Parts: sequence; structure tokens; C-alpha cells
Amino acid sequence: DAGVIQSPRHEVTEMGQEVTLRCKPISGHNSLFWYRQTMMRGLELLIYFNNNVPIDDSGMPEDRFSAKMPNASFSTLKIQPSEPRDSAVYFCASSTRVQGAEEQYFGPGTRLTVT
Amino acid sequence: AQKITQTQPGMFVQEKEAVTLDCTYDTSDPSYGLFWYKQPSSGEMIFLIYQGSYDQQNATEGRYSLNFQKARKSANLVISASQLGDSAMYFCAMREGGRGSTLGRLYFGRGTQLTVWP
Repeated sequence: DAGVIQSPRHEVTEMGQEVTLRCKPISGHNSLFWYRQTMMRGLELLIYFNNNVPIDDSGMPEDRFSAKMPNASFSTLKIQPSEPRDSAVYFCASSTRVQGAEEQYFGPGTRLTVT
Repeated sequence: AQKITQTQPGMFVQEKEAVTLDCTYDTSDPSYGLFWYKQPSSGEMIFLIYQGSYDQQNATEGRYSLNFQKARKSANLVISASQLGDSAMYFCAMREGGRGSTLGRLYFGRGTQLTVWP
């Protein structure tokens, strides 16, 4: 079974450029989460969707960040314009439900470097 | 206040020995779940074990067990018979039962780097 798929796996870009990260959740999962991991801040939730609807975006750092989920099988996280402090590993995770023992399944992550 | 606290930045254990990784949590919600994830150097996040706040027994999954002490708000991970492949970062996380926008949100600790030596 395919797990959560993220692309690209690595992205190097210059400051000011637009960056788009992509995620395909596990088929049948109706919750999708975007996380960012840095040495300074650890693993932090940026936004999550339930049934394609954004539920909690309080973790989105600022207006430069936006996320969409146009359908159940695809989500994007966009940074425009990118800054060096956005350099991090971005994880996408999905889950069948948001309660109980159901764990979140993580993708392999996208390592973003902004120079 | 931190929702999840992992006080051990690094731990060392000899192969075949048992090791305990500490985790304390903070919540006023009577319904919550506790998770442990492993992150090897390759970077992926791997789910290990889950404990629900109403579960009467400590969770176990193979060599992993969770020492759940509700009154102390601790959920320590015990790895028995450590293997070299257990060397990784380990994260404790909590999901509150909650209502509305907090539902489903996982709060992660800063992690503990475990090194298993031969």
C-alpha cells in the first residue's frame, strides 16, 4: 500500500521565490496535517484539514504561507515569497479520523533550503 | 505551558539492555491520547505505540511498552532488549479529546535522541 506521498523530497530555492510543496494522503484518509520541523522549534503543526476543509490554521506563521486541499487526494503548501528562515523539513501526515487511537501516518518529508 | 515535556535530550543504552524515555504531559481534558513516534536518521516519522486516557492497562507493542501513570501525568516509553536499529530520535505526542478546532491536533515534545551502542 502506498503511504503518504510528498514531493519534492528536496527543494533548494533563492530567497523571494515561490515554493510549492505537494502531498497525496493515503487513500481513504479524510484528515490531513502539515507540520514543519526545525532544530530551534521542533515539530510544529502548521495547518490541518478534515474532509478537505481547513480546521485549524493557527500554526501558519504568516501570510506568506498558504495551504489548499482541493480534493481528498491532494494538498499543497505554498510559501510566497520564501525567506531563509523558512528552511526546514515539512511533513505531511494523514489519518482516518481525528479521535481515539488512530495515529497519523507521516510522509517522508520535504527538505526545504532557502538561500 | 508546554503540553508535552521530554526532559532527556539524549540517552545512551547498551545493546540488549532496556531503556526508559521520559514524557510528561499537561492537559485538563479528561479524554486524551498519548503517542510515541520514532524518527531515524533517514527522517521519516514512524508510529510506535498509543495509550488512551481511559485505558486500564499499559499499552504494549512488541518490545515497546508505555508506562502510563495518570496521576503523575507521565507516559514513559520503555524499550526492552535494545537493538542497534533503535538508535533514533523519539517523540512523545498528545491529542486531546477536545472540541472544535483543537480536535485532532497532535502536540509533540522536543524529542529524545537515543543511541544504542554495542
